[in-house]
Amino acid sequence: DAMVIQNPRYQVTQFGKPVTLSCSQTLNHNVMYWYQQKSSQAPKLLFHYYDKDFNNEADTPDNFQSRRPNTSFCFLDIRSPGLGDAAMYLCATSRDGPGHQPQHFGDGTRLSIL
Amino acid sequence: QQQVKQSPQSLIVQKGGISIINCAYENTAFDYFPWYQQFPGKGPALLIAIRPDVSEKKEGRFTISFNKSAKQFSLHIMDSQPGDSATYFCAASILQSGSEKLVFGKGMKLTVNP
Repeated sequence: DAMVIQNPRYQVTQFGKPVTLSCSQTLNHNVMYWYQQKSSQAPKLLFHYYDKDFNNEADTPDNFQSRRPNTSFCFLDIRSPGLGDAAMYLCATSRDGPGHQPQHFGDGTRLSIL
Repeated sequence: QQQVKQSPQSLIVQKGGISIINCAYENTAFDYFPWYQQFPGKGPALLIAIRPDVSEKKEGRFTISFNKSAKQFSLHIMDSQPGDSATYFCAASILQSGSEKLVFGKGMKLTVNP
């Protein structure tokens, strides 16, 4: 089945130690999104790629970066994780139109900071 | 202006009952209103969506009611089942440069007792 796959499902890192989360998709969608979802809260958009064009949300901390080497893969890099970055990170994809297209979410990576 | 307000935060209903979730928005630029269902440990999945030129949309046991003048919309789950127990997020969307930008409500945890 075509899908959005996030690895790993659970990630533990140390305070200040860089960490990378990965997302791959077999849907061949040209838009990929990264969301942060803290416990019992709504997903919050961090940034997205439209093909190779990177679009950062104004309130996304500089600590968060992203790479998209090809259509299928997208990475979320947290340069110096703080305790407040512990959350579920969700990757989503969508086609670019016409009109509104549904976003397809992966099952997330739960990040813990020691 | 970018907020979507959702209520209640949680709801417990008996099997066969009706579950109602309410949402309100401020930004009239939003032009697509999806509802997502999220089970524990899973990513959100699109349940049903409506455009603002339609006042009601029904898919099986799920109905969205939309009041454009009041900037409010709601999800009704008829004949609620234990398998409907999940967190439900309303969202509002705007297309920007070909990408779908979703703003989520805070979510409502639904528990359906057998």
